[in-house]
Amino acid sequence: NAGVTQTPKFRILKIGQSMTLQCAQDMNHNYMYWYRQDPGMGLKLIYYSVGAGITDKGEVPNGYNVSRSTTEDFPLRLELAAPSQTSVYFCASSYQGRDEQYFGPGTRLTVT
Amino acid sequence: AQSVTQLGSHVSVSEGALVLLRCNYSSSVPPYLFWYVQYPNQGLQLLLKYTSAATLVKGINGFEAEFKKSETSFHLTKPSAHMSDAAEYFCAVSVTTGGFKTIFGAGTRLFVKA
Repeated sequence: NAGVTQTPKFRILKIGQSMTLQCAQDMNHNYMYWYRQDPGMGLKLIYYSVGAGITDKGEVPNGYNVSRSTTEDFPLRLELAAPSQTSVYFCASSYQGRDEQYFGPGTRLTVT
Repeated sequence: AQSVTQLGSHVSVSEGALVLLRCNYSSSVPPYLFWYVQYPNQGLQLLLKYTSAATLVKGINGFEAEFKKSETSFHLTKPSAHMSDAAEYFCAVSVTTGGFKTIFGAGTRLFVKA
């Protein structure tokens, strides 16, 4: 049981490049989330999903896109990377929306 | 509207001293409350949760928290700090009002001095 896995662990992008952050969970959780964490700012919700085929925006969705074609996977797409997207990105999952969330190890992204 | 406030972005204690990390919430409906811990370069992991059962909740690593409805608080305590407790701690409130919402506090970094 691997829990929540994220790839890659680190990535450096040039301004304007695109990339996909991968997230997978093997706990059969309905809910999945993407957060970004900036120093001293806590967690900001980017997007979330309540089940396969259903996604919705969080607090800071601009510049990102998601899809949820299976229960297990929830990739986050960055189009036209900008320096403001330099951050640590965490994927999380929970069985229901009120339940505790299980977090992946994070992806540290730098855009230069 | 729901919110969560953690008092103090940094807390420093000596090894063996009491740890007290403060969390206040606002919620118009009975909340679920959580404390998470984040060690350097890792994701968050659950320390403990309150889901409307016992008001004193025990978690991992000797931590506990007490839900006080009258004070809208959910402070985290540990009687005796260890060096290994140095980490960032996040309080979170989760409510369901026409759809779920979990809100995280800004976090409190705990330093433990030898």
